[in-house]
Amino acid sequence: GENVEQHPSTLSVQEGDSAVIKCTYSDSASNYFPWYKQELGKRPQLIIDIRSNVGEKKDQRIAVTLNKTAKHFSLHITETQPEDSAVYFCAASSVTGGGNKLTFGTGTQLKVEL
Amino acid sequence: DAGVTQSPTHLIKTRGQQVTLRCSPKSGHDTVSWYQQALGQGPQFIFQYYEEEERQRGNFPDRFSGHQFPNYSSELNVNALLLGDSALYLCASSRRTSGGQGETQYFGPGTRLLVL
Repeated sequence: GENVEQHPSTLSVQEGDSAVIKCTYSDSASNYFPWYKQELGKRPQLIIDIRSNVGEKKDQRIAVTLNKTAKHFSLHITETQPEDSAVYFCAASSVTGGGNKLTFGTGTQLKVEL
Repeated sequence: DAGVTQSPTHLIKTRGQQVTLRCSPKSGHDTVSWYQQALGQGPQFIFQYYEEEERQRGNFPDRFSGHQFPNYSSELNVNALLLGDSALYLCASSRRTSGGQGETQYFGPGTRLLVL
């Protein structure tokens, strides 16, 4: 089955700096890669996603890149703000067996310091 | 437009008991997935329901079962509870597409289960 690895596990940046979180996946059939932000005690919230027919996608300060050959995708946050502090999860999905489960990475605790 | 809702928000049970958790999907969605999130970890896929049938299942024992109703809402049942079942149980809803690509899943607030 699919295995998703995520690095780093913790990331501390100064306000205004950029943050990069990297994930790798194992199943070449995976074709959908969402990123979720989860604040303490709250639900995971979708912040951006990318499909396998696209190499890069941007939404204001957030961008995601996908390298299908290397089975690697990354989240880039520019001009970080204190409200960006949270745990970020990457995930990968493939449509198999009649369903499309999400396999999550282990999460990155991002702390944006003033 | 209501988002994904779950009930109850919190639950305390003892070992050996049974529990039922409920989920109502986002308006317009027809697929419900359940995930277990242990403290400090990412969500783990339990199973997914579409057209009232279990379509895909993760590596969870048969003690975990589910159901989807004609209005697309869903239940997760866990029998013979173990201490290790203590976790946040998340429901996610999506709308089935025919394109062969993964569907966007939106999560509910979760039910926090504590097994004593």
